[in-house]
Amino acid sequence: KNEVEQSPQNLTAQEGEFITINCSYSVGISALHWLQQHPGGGIVSLFMLSSGKKKHGRLIATINIQEKHSSLHITASHPRDSAVYICAPLKGVGNQFYFGTGTSLTVIP
Amino acid sequence: NAGVTQTPKFQVLKTGQSMTLQCAQDMNHEYMSWYRQDPGMGLRLIHYSVGAGITDQGEVPNGYNVSRSTTEDFPLRLLSAAPSQTSVYFCASRHKTPGMGPTDTQYFGPGTRLTVL
Repeated sequence: KNEVEQSPQNLTAQEGEFITINCSYSVGISALHWLQQHPGGGIVSLFMLSSGKKKHGRLIATINIQEKHSSLHITASHPRDSAVYICAPLKGVGNQFYFGTGTSLTVIP
Repeated sequence: NAGVTQTPKFQVLKTGQSMTLQCAQDMNHEYMSWYRQDPGMGLRLIHYSVGAGITDQGEVPNGYNVSRSTTEDFPLRLLSAAPSQTSVYFCASRHKTPGMGPTDTQYFGPGTRLTVL
């Protein structure tokens, strides 16, 4: 069983829609990383968070460490948001990231 | 800052050949790591280093060697390439214990797409 589960695996949205991507994990962590992988393959860090909520532009990430769950929200989605979004918890023991398989988002104009 | 650089971007090898994937960072990060990314799977850790002279195995180390003679460089060596090593390889770096500040994150190189025939 994968230690990190993301849902949905694939998501198609109309431009302007509010989008939510969920991440659940099964082991204790000290922080969680949200990443964006562009169609060309490059990986960019979006957020690192250990509690509560962080906001950057149209992106909002939340985490509940006790419930082992994090969400990434995109407000007013745009075609340039089309990418794969990857959740990566940081294990408390060993100080290693481990990775979900990603959510592939396509935003249609 | 150039961030994390990787070379080459693409490589085709024949089974049994050896090669080295280069990775360098200019952010004075202690922690560097190599991942491979395969279709339908999350990034998997191959090897990592917590500082110059210190390396350790990750989840999928077989067939790969690493060394860390300087803080900046962390090359990955394929000893005898096999078709199962066809993948996209990412090098990443970060501070040893990431905090929550804007630069306390993991930085990824652009990736190397490797095909082994």
